[in-house]
Amino acid sequence: EIVLTQSPATLALSPGDRATLSCRASQSVSTFIGWYQQKPGQAPRLLIYDASNRATGIPTRFSGSGSGTDFTLTISSLEPEDFAVYYCQQRSSWPPLTFGGGTKVEIK
Amino acid sequence: EVQLLESGGALVRPGGSLRLSCAASGFPFNNYAMNWVRQAPGKGLEWVSGLSGSGGSTYYADSVKGRFTISRDNSKNTLYLQMNSLRAEDTAVYYCAKERENIHSLYYFDYWGQGTQVTVSS
Repeated sequence: EIVLTQSPATLALSPGDRATLSCRASQSVSTFIGWYQQKPGQAPRLLIYDASNRATGIPTRFSGSGSGTDFTLTISSLEPEDFAVYYCQQRSSWPPLTFGGGTKVEIK
Repeated sequence: EVQLLESGGALVRPGGSLRLSCAASGFPFNNYAMNWVRQAPGKGLEWVSGLSGSGGSTYYADSVKGRFTISRDNSKNTLYLQMNSLRAEDTAVYYCAKERENIHSLYYFDYWGQGTQVTVSS
């Protein structure tokens, strides 16, 4: 099973700041990483698939990069609605599909 | 508009059974693999099970293998999860989630239901 480790656990930033979230895989997953955003009481939303492709309707301030074992989700300028928990997920080797533990982006 | 509506969550005693349903609309249901993903209280996301568009291929997390059964009825556009021998650690919100682009494989989840709460407690 591929383990995904996200860091930091919590990121305290202000609106307008740049957010950089990390996801590290226990073995190479090529570029088969997705990113999701989850707000309290809501279902997750797919942001990025295959490391760098934005899902339908996702604003351009969200971008993804990386390959192999190290991946980054960048939010170029935080909007108030971006404060949420973010999860990475791998589809390189399944079953099982696995998720990281999440990074909470909170208001500083 | 894609919609996924889960139902069937409840409070059940350890060792009990429950069947979850997910009614889908707004897309050609039989053309997409489907999944169940759960989230325990205050915890992260855990993929539980998935199946192909035809229902002929099914996949499970080790934590539920042998206890849970995923199925679908393409004539009713409905996904199911039969849960037996339930344990306290199965307590979670269970989400139905649509595969983004594949009929056979499980890759990413582009649409999710609102979730249904399953609580296992005596």
